[in-house]
Amino acid sequence: AQRVTQPEKLLSVFKGAPVELKCNYSYSGSPELFWYVQYSRQRLQLLLRHISRESIKGFTADLNKGETSFHLKKPFAQEEDSAMYYCALRDGTLTFGKGTMLLVSP
Amino acid sequence: DGGITQSPKYLFRKEGQNVTLSCEQNLNHDAMYWYRQDPGQGLRLIYYSQIVNDFQKGDIAEGYSVSREKKESFPLTVTSAQKNPTAFYLCASSIFSGGPGELFFGEGSRLTVL
Repeated sequence: AQRVTQPEKLLSVFKGAPVELKCNYSYSGSPELFWYVQYSRQRLQLLLRHISRESIKGFTADLNKGETSFHLKKPFAQEEDSAMYYCALRDGTLTFGKGTMLLVSP
Repeated sequence: DGGITQSPKYLFRKEGQNVTLSCEQNLNHDAMYWYRQDPGQGLRLIYYSQIVNDFQKGDIAEGYSVSREKKESFPLTVTSAQKNPTAFYLCASSIFSGGPGELFFGEGSRLTVL
């Protein structure tokens, strides 16, 4: 069963528009969730983790246990945000979603 | 330059041949992982190792084999039994498997079967 669902393969927005990358999970117990990002020609890297409740590069993500979601949000997208974004759930190892490509146009 | 080093970056193989992908880390991490990345499929776990001389199958281990003889090294062999080996392979490491969840990734190896 798919434990991490990212329903959008591609999200295209204009610079300055708000962005929300969706992530839903399936897990019994207290989940640990992460967002990883892969910029063009760069390594996959950690963007943020829910336990830290931090904002990285203007992105935030709130864990909603009632809706089993961990959506990634940014109020004003920048062109340099264009990348592949993966939501991940820690269940011993890390289980990744299929990813969402974010394209920010000028 | 610290981190994860994968080699080769590009590899071509004829059908029926085994091929080994190298992964070395100098981060002193206990845990290492191999993922396969396919378009539209995300990352799928092949094998992982929490300590030297021990490893576990991931979700798609069939047709693959690994070894962990040294803490720094976790090579992946793609055998001829793997039905669809053409893919992008990512190696990663973390402090330990039950740790904070940050994986450090290599640059990847792209395998093409001709």
